[in-house]
Amino acid sequence: GDSVTQMEGPVTLSEEAFLTINCTYTATGYPSLFWYVQYPGEGLQLLLKATKADDKGSNKGFEATYRKETTSFHLEKGSVQVSDSAVYFCALTYNQGGKLIFGQGTELSVKP
Amino acid sequence: DAGVIQSPRHEVTEMGQEVTLRCKPISGHDYLFWYRQTMMRGLELLIYFNNNVPIDDSGMPEDRFSAKMPNASFSTLKIQPSEPRDSAVYFCASTMQGGNQPQHFGDGTRLSIL
Repeated sequence: GDSVTQMEGPVTLSEEAFLTINCTYTATGYPSLFWYVQYPGEGLQLLLKATKADDKGSNKGFEATYRKETTSFHLEKGSVQVSDSAVYFCALTYNQGGKLIFGQGTELSVKP
Repeated sequence: DAGVIQSPRHEVTEMGQEVTLRCKPISGHDYLFWYRQTMMRGLELLIYFNNNVPIDDSGMPEDRFSAKMPNASFSTLKIQPSEPRDSAVYFCASTMQGGNQPQHFGDGTRLSIL
């Protein structure tokens, strides 16, 4: 079946460090891929998405490129801030109606 | 625009009591999802609706859980009787038809069963 695997957390970084959170997927078709972010005490928010191979999604300094050859969608940011501390979820869908398959989430903690 | 609205934000009740969680999706969205989030199991899809009709309830843990969507602007998730292991954060999300559309989440209901 379809699945999403993320790197284990928590990830702890100093402010202005480079961030990579790995995400790989298994899918029978050609899914769309998403990164969601969950700040403490809140619901999930869409961070970025990519709908086909080689697409790059970007938002708020975060980027991720849809790599079909490696079935990956790694999240990157060049310089993290304390305010980026949150849990990040990678997800896929390819059914009409947007039923999402989520990874287990990766907690990011950024220290000043 | 108003987002997905859930109520209550927090609920504390004793084991055996009935619990009802409520959700108002974004106007115009025709899909609605209920999730449960715990430290141990992460984010789990419980059930989802399309045009008020339940499509997939395979994630509902037991018969104690039930969900309804009487109209396009309201859904409930009910637990009867509640048990301590039901303690979790329950999220509602909605999206629109068209494939590849993101889901919009509410802020969740933090449920504690004593």
